[in-house]
Amino acid sequence: DTAVSQTPKYLVTQMGNDKSIKCEQNLGHDTMYWYKQDSKKFLKIMFSYNNKELIINETVPNRFSPKSPDKAHLNLHINSLELGDSAVYFCASSQKNRVGNTIYFGEGSWLTVV
Amino acid sequence: AQRVTQPEKLLSVFKGAPVELKCNYSYSGSPELFWYVQYSRQRLQLLLRHISRESIKGFTADLNKGETSFHLKKPFAQEEDSAMYYCALREMDSSYKLIFGSGTRLLVRP
Repeated sequence: DTAVSQTPKYLVTQMGNDKSIKCEQNLGHDTMYWYKQDSKKFLKIMFSYNNKELIINETVPNRFSPKSPDKAHLNLHINSLELGDSAVYFCASSQKNRVGNTIYFGEGSWLTVV
Repeated sequence: AQRVTQPEKLLSVFKGAPVELKCNYSYSGSPELFWYVQYSRQRLQLLLRHISRESIKGFTADLNKGETSFHLKKPFAQEEDSAMYYCALREMDSSYKLIFGSGTRLLVRP
């Protein structure tokens, strides 16, 4: 039973295309996140949703648009892909307001823009 | 601003040697600190959190508020410990997001 699952795991696409990455968690958590890991392995938060409501929107281009149809899903849509978008995107979830609660990560989606 | 610093990008040791991965933080409040590990091309997994004071896979980490550090230690490194290690701080505001350090790659040589 995968706790946080993302699809696709690997995605190679051309510049200018629009693509989506889907994420689902079956942990009953109320908060979900998208993190980006760049080629230097830096991990940075992009978005966070709590009960389908956006609570974090870091400095991310408008081409990136998260969508949360329900609290178990947080999808990431990227418009007009650029070479610099190549990275590993990690979805994660946690239960908010629970001290010491763990953030669980998905396996990552390797996006390569050519 | 809240910040997590891991000064070493790469730490290379021989099997059986002691390991210490450094982590320093700055935070205006009581921090919640974690160590995550990422094996090659896999997801990040929680290794330790300071409130648990546990030992996982032989690793321990003690929060030192005076030195604002949360170094990760293991007395005898194993080859299977080779991975990326991230120190992370959780913000205790409404976001509860994790702020990660830049990561340290541990390479344990036979």
